[in-house]
Amino acid sequence: DAKTTQPPSMDCAEGRAANLPCNHSTISGNEYVYWYRQIHSQGPQYIIHGLKNNETNEMASLIITEDRKSSTLILPHATLRDTAVYYCIVRVAFNTGGGNKLTFGTGTQLKVEL
Amino acid sequence: DVKVTQSSRYLVKRTGEKVFLECVQDMDHENMFWYRQDPGLGLRLIYFSYDVKMKEKGDIPEGYSVSREKKERFSLILESASTNQTSMYLCASRPGGSNYGYTFGSGTRLTVV
Repeated sequence: DAKTTQPPSMDCAEGRAANLPCNHSTISGNEYVYWYRQIHSQGPQYIIHGLKNNETNEMASLIITEDRKSSTLILPHATLRDTAVYYCIVRVAFNTGGGNKLTFGTGTQLKVEL
Repeated sequence: DVKVTQSSRYLVKRTGEKVFLECVQDMDHENMFWYRQDPGLGLRLIYFSYDVKMKEKGDIPEGYSVSREKKERFSLILESASTNQTSMYLCASRPGGSNYGYTFGSGTRLTVV
């Protein structure tokens, strides 16, 4: 699976949009981009995933660049409860070898403040 | 909502004990996983299972075994617990044949003394 690079930490004011970047310059054509977050002392929580189109759900939006070498997770109106470590992961489709495995890096610690 | 339930939130065991960590999911997911999480090392995959009685090694299977006798239950076994197995253990599940994300349990913090 392609390696990802994320900033170790970011701050965001409550109510503002939080834009979390991820670099995955070695991504290959059959690899998806996934985002998870982990609030302190809890298990990781799935947020969103995409292949090449931008995606939006009730939690966040995922913007993937046209060359797919980077992406941005957007939390449109961050709240204090969004304070967590955010992980960007790339993973091959399920129907290829190793498609079940997720490799978590160290992620970005997002701190949302008043 | 899918629920993944881990039987214990905190466990303290002695070196050499056989330890069972239990995980149950309630949404008929085919795939189940065991990870451990340690500071500075992130999450590392121990074992996973894609069907009943099927299992595959992850990145760090040494010292562990697993059991999946029923679809909803995936057990992690520490055959002879050691202090270097002190960690947070996370179970996850996912539907088979899809690209959906994982659903994780809340974790079991195991301390081996």
